[in-house]
Amino acid sequence: AQSVTQPDIHITVSEGASLELRCNYSYGATPYLFWYVQSPGQGLQLLLKYFSGDTLVQGIKGFEAEFKRSQSSFNLRKPSVHWSDAAEYFCAVSFRGANNLFFGTGTRLTVIP
Amino acid sequence: DSGVTQTPKHLITATGQRVTLRCSPRSGDLSVYWYQQSLDQGLQFLIQYYNGEERAKGNILERFSAQQFPDLHSELNLSSLELGDSALYFCASSASRLRSTEAFFGQGTRLTVV
Repeated sequence: AQSVTQPDIHITVSEGASLELRCNYSYGATPYLFWYVQSPGQGLQLLLKYFSGDTLVQGIKGFEAEFKRSQSSFNLRKPSVHWSDAAEYFCAVSFRGANNLFFGTGTRLTVIP
Repeated sequence: DSGVTQTPKHLITATGQRVTLRCSPRSGDLSVYWYQQSLDQGLQFLIQYYNGEERAKGNILERFSAQQFPDLHSELNLSSLELGDSALYFCASSASRLRSTEAFFGQGTRLTVV
């Protein structure tokens, strides 16, 4: 069955430290891959997306993600986290034949000073 | 600001009642999606409309219905409400039907059923 998994429910990092949020998918082909961020009381904002081509994609707010076909993963990274990055992060995929997004369960990021 | 407007922002209602959630997509966007975010189910796709026609259905209950009007705004109708329907309901819009087209999300309507 098609699925998307975010294994980390909650991650705490210190401000200025690096960050990696994990995302794995289960699908017979390469889906379209997305990372969204949800700040408290806000909607979802697209950070970056991958459809094909270069497996390292750059997004907004200094985020990047790397697609690894062999691991069926699309992990989100940031070299230096800012306090304003505290939010919930969702990995999402779009499978062929479906126009909608399938979301992971989200990872809550806490940033400590 | 994504350009997608959802009203109301908050809604409190009793079990058994019916409510209507409204979504105004970004100017020019033809596709509207509805998602439900709840603690136990996470973010789930409910339904998609494109230029007034239903395009795709997800995990939408029979008690729920939606429509998209000629001016492209959309409404999600929830009836015979149950406690478990309490959730954050998001609307998203995109310019086309294609899955590669970025979807922009509104801030959501928080529904509380008491």
